[in-house]
Amino acid sequence: DAMVIQNPRYQVTQFGKPVTLSCSQTLNHNVMYWYQQKSSQAPKLLFHYYDKDFNNEADTPDNFQSRRPNTSFCFLDIRSPGLGDAAMYLCATSREGGGGNQPQHFGDGTRLSIL
Amino acid sequence: RKEVEQDPGPFNVPEGATVAFNCTYSNSASQSFFWYRQDCRKEPKLLMSVYSSGNEDGRFTAQLNRASQYISLLIRDSKLSDSATYLCVVNQGGSYIPTFGRGTSLIVHP
Repeated sequence: DAMVIQNPRYQVTQFGKPVTLSCSQTLNHNVMYWYQQKSSQAPKLLFHYYDKDFNNEADTPDNFQSRRPNTSFCFLDIRSPGLGDAAMYLCATSREGGGGNQPQHFGDGTRLSIL
Repeated sequence: RKEVEQDPGPFNVPEGATVAFNCTYSNSASQSFFWYRQDCRKEPKLLMSVYSSGNEDGRFTAQLNRASQYISLLIRDSKLSDSATYLCVVNQGGSYIPTFGRGTSLIVHP
């Protein structure tokens, strides 16, 4: 089945220790998104790739970086995680032709804990 | 004013009840609308897209009111398994970037 796969499902890291979360997709969608979601809050968009074009949200901290080496893979790098970065990180994809009428498909998420 | 607003609830209803959620959006140029379901500590999953003419999928009915800038979700004959958070999502003005509501929590009890 075509899908969006995130690894790992659970990640525990130490305060200040870099961590990388991964996302892969078999849907061949051209847009990939990274969201941060904290308890009882809406998912917050961090950045997205439209094809190879990187788009950063204005309020995404510099601590967060992303890479998309090819259509199928996208990575979220947190350079120096702080306690406030503990959250669920969701990867999503969509197929966009410019009309903006396509729903997103989400991975299972990675739950990040900071010690 | 928030761009997409939902009553957070929780809505606490018995099995078999009919429950309705509303979601208001501020951008009148919004074009695409969706309802997602999110279970506790899981990812959002698409429940249904919302079309101008309204649409129905089994026990679920979605409506769009452009004049008043809201969408609604009606759940008939509620099941215990319907307990979840329902997220309203709006793509504004032809943009593919969605705006999420905070979600409405539904608890269906025996």
